[in-house]
Amino acid sequence: AQSVTQLGSHVSVSEGALVLLRCNYSSSVPPYLFWYVQYPNQGLQLLLKYTSAATLVKGINGFEAEFKKSETSFHLTKPSAHMSDAAEYFCAVSESGGKLIFGQGTELSVKP
Amino acid sequence: GAGVSQTPSNKVTEKGKYVELRCDPISGHTALYWYRQSLGQGPEFLIYFQGTGAADDSGLPNDRFFAVRPEGSVSTLKIQRTERGDSAVYLCASSQDRGGEQYFGPGTRLTVT
Repeated sequence: AQSVTQLGSHVSVSEGALVLLRCNYSSSVPPYLFWYVQYPNQGLQLLLKYTSAATLVKGINGFEAEFKKSETSFHLTKPSAHMSDAAEYFCAVSESGGKLIFGQGTELSVKP
Repeated sequence: GAGVSQTPSNKVTEKGKYVELRCDPISGHTALYWYRQSLGQGPEFLIYFQGTGAADDSGLPNDRFFAVRPEGSVSTLKIQRTERGDSAVYLCASSQDRGGEQYFGPGTRLTVT
């Protein structure tokens, strides 16, 4: 069975600092991996996805993630945090892009 | 173009009542998914439609939950004999086909009192 673990339910960074949100997955088949962002009172929005092409994936709003098979990880990073990045972030896995299995989520706070 | 829409945005009902939640997917999207998001949790898969048929309903928690998509477009999630534990945000997503990017609606917040 597939599963996702997000380390840290809450992460706080200063504006301009590096953002690192951790995600580890478990899958018996080559996974499709996703990061979604959820702003307050809004729907989930896709940030980026990995589908077995390049291991370093670039997404919207300056975010990127690196697929590391040996570590079963897909951590999300952004070099410099903006106040507008404050939101809930979800890592998800699927088999061949079907139903998504989500992690518990990480709430990102950005301090001025 | 229009995104995925869900109605109502909020629904408050009494324990034991029946509720219907509606999802209007993006036009032309053949795949439709329902998820449930409880407070402080990530979304959990409920059911997936490919066209009119439920291709995977393994996430439905029990037989009080049922969903339909009779014409391959709009879908309705139906919950019978609601319980307080059913309180959550119910999310709908659609994609052009299985494996395509899923676009999420804003959700319906269900509160069972």
